[in-house]
Amino acid sequence: KAGVTQTPRYLIKTRGQQVTLSCSPISGHRSVSWYQQTPGQGLQFLFEYFSETQRNKGNFPGRFSGRQFSNSRSEMNVSTLELGDSALYLCASRPTSYSGNTIYFGEGSWLTVV
Amino acid sequence: TQLLEQSPQFLSIQEGENLTVYCNSSSVFSSLQWYRQEPGEGPVLLVTVVTGGEVKKLKRLTFQFGDARKDSSLHITAAQPGDTGLYLCAGAYAGGTSYGKLTFGQGTILTVHP
Repeated sequence: KAGVTQTPRYLIKTRGQQVTLSCSPISGHRSVSWYQQTPGQGLQFLFEYFSETQRNKGNFPGRFSGRQFSNSRSEMNVSTLELGDSALYLCASRPTSYSGNTIYFGEGSWLTVV
Repeated sequence: TQLLEQSPQFLSIQEGENLTVYCNSSSVFSSLQWYRQEPGEGPVLLVTVVTGGEVKKLKRLTFQFGDARKDSSLHITAAQPGDTGLYLCAGAYAGGTSYGKLTFGQGTILTVHP
């Protein structure tokens, strides 16, 4: 069974630009969540989608947004990039949103903002 | 807001030594997961614990979940250089604003010297 797939793996953007990251969950998984990982803040929850609906959102500004498609694939978008947005963005999937489900992570997308 | 305290933050030991990493919260988890992360990669799941008092073994790794489901520990016996990495605990809290969200500890960077 293929794991969680994230694209692109690495990207460099300029301040003020926007970026879209893509995630394909494990086959059969309908819940997709996104996390940001930085050396200073660790792993922080961005949002979770289930059946194309956002179910929960972390404490991030409105520049961070996401969506989920009918095939469970998800994208997240960051607009008006700031230097502090440089981070590893991780996508994770699980079968449902049940809190007892194990979450499986992709390898992440490394974003550098210059 | 749920907080997850993980300690120690850094561990530097010699091959063959034993070690324990702790994860504590004032809130009750519905489940808790331990991950290991290599540089530049996403977290890889080691174990999920759900039942209070549960003990799980994975080769030289032993995971315990507290009776009250507020704390957990990871014990490694006879550590090897291949155990080097970032170890993360992550708790899922049932319901409310925690829906669908994993709260991560700050992580323990383990270095095992040959």
